[in-house]
Amino acid sequence: QKEVEQNSGPLSVPEGAIASLNCTYSDRGSQSFFWYRQYSGKSPELIMSIYSNGDKEDGRFTAQLNKASQYVSLLIRDSQPSDSATYLCAVNSWGVSGGRRALTFGSGTRLQVQP
Amino acid sequence: SQTIHQWPATLVQPVGSPLSLECTVEGTSNPNLYWYRQAAGRGLQLLFYSVGIGQISSEVPQNLSASRPQDRQFILSSKKLLLSDSGFYLCAWTAGWGEKLFFGSGTQLSVL
Repeated sequence: QKEVEQNSGPLSVPEGAIASLNCTYSDRGSQSFFWYRQYSGKSPELIMSIYSNGDKEDGRFTAQLNKASQYVSLLIRDSQPSDSATYLCAVNSWGVSGGRRALTFGSGTRLQVQP
Repeated sequence: SQTIHQWPATLVQPVGSPLSLECTVEGTSNPNLYWYRQAAGRGLQLLFYSVGIGQISSEVPQNLSASRPQDRQFILSSKKLLLSDSGFYLCAWTAGWGEKLFFGSGTQLSVL
């Protein structure tokens, strides 16, 4: 079982619609959750972080966390063609031996916003 | 503000040649430093991380090594490159565990 899972897509939405991106993780001890946006050939760019259950809004982006269901999502309102990119979910947690671990990334969901 | 520099941006190397990629961070002290690799169309794989000078942890046994000779400098090396070493190499830093991770601009390595 992969530690962080995302649907690879592509997820296609029309311009102005809401794009919903989902991520599940396997480690119940996970504590920090991040969403990155990666354009083709570029490095990932941090767009959202969330640490507690509930919603966190930043402009057109909303991150949602449900630790009981081990589920993180990202909503993009009023989607624009410039939002077309791969979105990576990343999770930080403690290792099974008690040691700290670096961020583990999902394989990403490709989003296409159609003009 | 903090910045991270990574070079070169692209590199084409023959099989069996050595490799040295360098990364430096400015505007912070004692960062955690990381090397990730991303194969074409794939996710990010953690290769190495470092919590201080001379302290290197390897996540995946492989043909690569890492060193941290100075607080804000992280180097990825190989003595002999393999075809399977091709990929997009990313240096990254955090202020501490659980903190936000910031990436350099990456190096696209092609081994031919």
